[in-house]
Amino acid sequence: ILNVEQSPQSLHVQEGDSTNFTCGFPSSNFYALHWYRWETAKSPEALFVMTLNGDEKKKGRISATLNTKEGYSYLYIKGSQPEDSATYLCASPIQGAQKLVFGQGTRLTINP
Amino acid sequence: KAGVTQTPRYLIKTRGQQVTLSCSPISGHRSVSWYQQTPGQGLQFLFEYFSETQRNKGNFPGRFSGRQFSNSRSEMNVSTLELGDSALYLCASSRRDTGYEQYFGPGTRLTVT
Repeated sequence: ILNVEQSPQSLHVQEGDSTNFTCGFPSSNFYALHWYRWETAKSPEALFVMTLNGDEKKKGRISATLNTKEGYSYLYIKGSQPEDSATYLCASPIQGAQKLVFGQGTRLTINP
Repeated sequence: KAGVTQTPRYLIKTRGQQVTLSCSPISGHRSVSWYQQTPGQGLQFLFEYFSETQRNKGNFPGRFSGRQFSNSRSEMNVSTLELGDSALYLCASSRRDTGYEQYFGPGTRLTVT
């Protein structure tokens, strides 16, 4: 992978179901992997910054894992709620620790 | 702790004009990054400043420039505006670099007519 790629682009999930989505990033010269939640009419909000291979972070019902050797991270949401509806962005520095490159995002919609 | 602030929030300009956007980071944050968000393009990195020095720049024409002041406040300038510059411009601050969380401001919505 030469860029930051996210899949799927959009996802519709029933309230109460669990879901997950993927972020792929260049595994060479890895520095950090970020996850953000971006709700409509708000600013992107940081969920996690992960730096160690095998790292797993959790915030409430949301968790993320990191595999730096193969260049992917998963974001999991357990028991989805309507307030989880947002675009989830991942980002990783490419070409320097100061240049954060974002994926196109996964747009998550929770159906009540 | 006050968040990142951006001014103005909305701006309408005409082609050929120039514009200056301002960003005040969270107190104590020395790194300020700027991003452009357009439909279908996602968040595109413009540039990053730390201690008044530009450390990295994205793939944007020279019409896009920026600077950072000694109090870490940053401005970005776009000269000779084009219709394609219509976008949401976000700034984000962090303690040092991309090893740390980025805190985003509310953005400036620029419309070029």
